[in-house]
Amino acid sequence: TQLLEQSPQFLSIQEGENLTVYCNSSSVFSSLQWYRQEPGEGPVLLVTVVTGGEVKKLKRLTFQFGDARKDSSLHITAAQPGDTGLYLCAGPKPNFGNEKLTFGTGTRLTIIP
Amino acid sequence: GAVVSQHPSWVICKSGTSVKIECRSLDFQATTMFWYRQFPKQSLMLMATSNEGSKATYEQGVEKDKFLINHASLTLSTLTVTSAHPEDSSFYICSARVLAGDYNEQFFGPGTRLTVL
Repeated sequence: TQLLEQSPQFLSIQEGENLTVYCNSSSVFSSLQWYRQEPGEGPVLLVTVVTGGEVKKLKRLTFQFGDARKDSSLHITAAQPGDTGLYLCAGPKPNFGNEKLTFGTGTRLTIIP
Repeated sequence: GAVVSQHPSWVICKSGTSVKIECRSLDFQATTMFWYRQFPKQSLMLMATSNEGSKATYEQGVEKDKFLINHASLTLSTLTVTSAHPEDSSFYICSARVLAGDYNEQFFGPGTRLTVL
């Protein structure tokens, strides 16, 4: 079973639209990270959220950590084709301190020009 | 952010041969690196944790004799896929851990695509 479930699994929208993807768990995480991965490349770290209720913005991307630190969301405003990619959330694997990361199931986003 | 490189970026080999993949931290020292495997259209699966100067720790279900890991210096970890078979074909990605206050961040290499014929 996956500790971090992401939804939707696939999302295809028109350029200019807004979207939200979710990362949910039944476990509490001390922090969560969001990565974007493009085909044939490694994941690139976008943001780390640490405090329950925290909101971080990265240009058109807004990341929120749930109050209970069990979930997180990523909202993209006015999506552009360059936003296309696999979005992964990740958090410290329980019972292993901060050493290992467990990754979510991923959301594959396609922005249609 | 910290830069991690991998070499080669892709490799094709015959069944039964061994393949070595290198992971380097370019502008920082990494006492801990990680090796992941990713199947098409799936998320990353942690294979093992590579610690400089000590033996790697493997995740459940990962054969340590099949996937040999060596972390001989603070900037280099290697993964050797021994006696490779077609089912070992996959995208292998390494990462290096960077301490960031109370939490760790991982920076990933660009990945190595292994195809075993």
